[in-house]
This record gives sequence, C-alpha cells and structure tokens, in this order.
Amino acid sequence: EAQVTQNPRYLITVTGKKLTVTCSQNMNHEYMSWYRQDPGLGLRQIYYSMNVEVTDKGDVPEGYKVSRKEKRNFPLILESPSPNQTSLYFCASSRGGGSSPLHFGNGTRLTVT
Amino acid sequence: GEDVEQSLFLSVREGDSSVINCTYTDSSSTYLYWYKQEPGAGLQLLTYIFSNMDMKQDQRLTVLLNKKDKHLSLRIADTQTGDSAIYFCADNYGQNFVFGPGTRLSVLP
Repeated sequence: EAQVTQNPRYLITVTGKKLTVTCSQNMNHEYMSWYRQDPGLGLRQIYYSMNVEVTDKGDVPEGYKVSRKEKRNFPLILESPSPNQTSLYFCASSRGGGSSPLHFGNGTRLTVT
Repeated sequence: GEDVEQSLFLSVREGDSSVINCTYTDSSSTYLYWYKQEPGAGLQLLTYIFSNMDMKQDQRLTVLLNKKDKHLSLRIADTQTGDSAIYFCADNYGQNFVFGPGTRLSVLP
C-alpha cells in the first residue's frame, strides 16, 4: 500500500533533549516536506527536499534540522526542543513539487515540557 | 509571497449543500487542491483542479475556479455527518505548496 509513515505518533519529552521524528515513503517520490500544525495558524512548512541531498528551509525552520540521505527517508531532528515546538507535525511527499498532489503521514503529536 | 485564505468555520444541516471558499494571491498557480482532515488523522487529498479549468465535478464534490478573481470553492452536495472535518485549500507555488488555514465544517443533524 502506498503510504507515508511517521514515527512515533505521540511523543512527550523535556526541554533540551534531542529527538528525531522519522518519515518514510514507499512511492519513490522525489519531493518530501515537513509541516507543523497549530490551532489558528494552519499548516506551516518547516523544511522541504526536492531530492536526495537537496533540502531547503520553509517558513518556520528555526530549531529544526533535516537530512535526505536516501530518497525514501526524511527525518526531522530537534537538537534542543523547547516548549514552543509543542505541535502536531506532518510529513508529506509527492512525485514532483507542486504539479502533483501531496501525500501525508498520520502525524506526530509532540509535547515538550 | 503567496497567501491563501479561507473562512475558519462553516455549519450546515445534514442533507444541505456546503460551500467552502478560498482565495489565493499567486496568479501563476498551476494546480489548486482541496484536502480533508478528520480528527486525529493526516490530510487526505479530496480533489484538485488544473488552472485552465473552470469546474470539476466528482460525485458529490464540485470545484469551481474563478482565475480572474483568484477564487476557488468546494461544494459538497447532500452533506452528511461523515463530512464533518477541516478542509484545506492549497496552491502550488513554484515547486512548493501553500496551505490555507483550514475551514472547520460542522454538520448538524
């Protein structure tokens, strides 16, 4: 089944403790992206990647890192999480940029205390 | 940069039609998308329209595009309780996507 898989679904951590949220897609998509969703703010893009080893900042990249060493994986790294990074995070992929639709994972709800 | 706007809330009675509106600013948009988010789930692609089309119909869903006014709408005929969700309009902006804030549709029995 074609899908985008994020792990974990729920994560509670403390300020400053490094964490990684994994994202994997099995559709051989070139484009992958991370979003955060906050009440009243909609979806805001954190980082995106057009292909392996190519990543770019989105609208809210501060405090996040990404890497794209393989086509299928696009992990989101929080080196030193802070409470303002408490949010619902989505990974998404598409065949190629804006001309084909995005496929979303089920989300990761992160709480930083 | 590109901006996509939607009203935040809409309530309709079961069986009525729902119309969710969206405006965008990028005149070079090629595709416009509608996504549905049910509670606790990710965004699911509902439908999309190519910018050279005025209308697209898919079962109970009708998408209307007014490119001159940069206005997109999603009509859901015979709205059911299962249609209660958040609906996002999205625009492709270059190689990227820009989402509206989402419209929360509540369907009243």
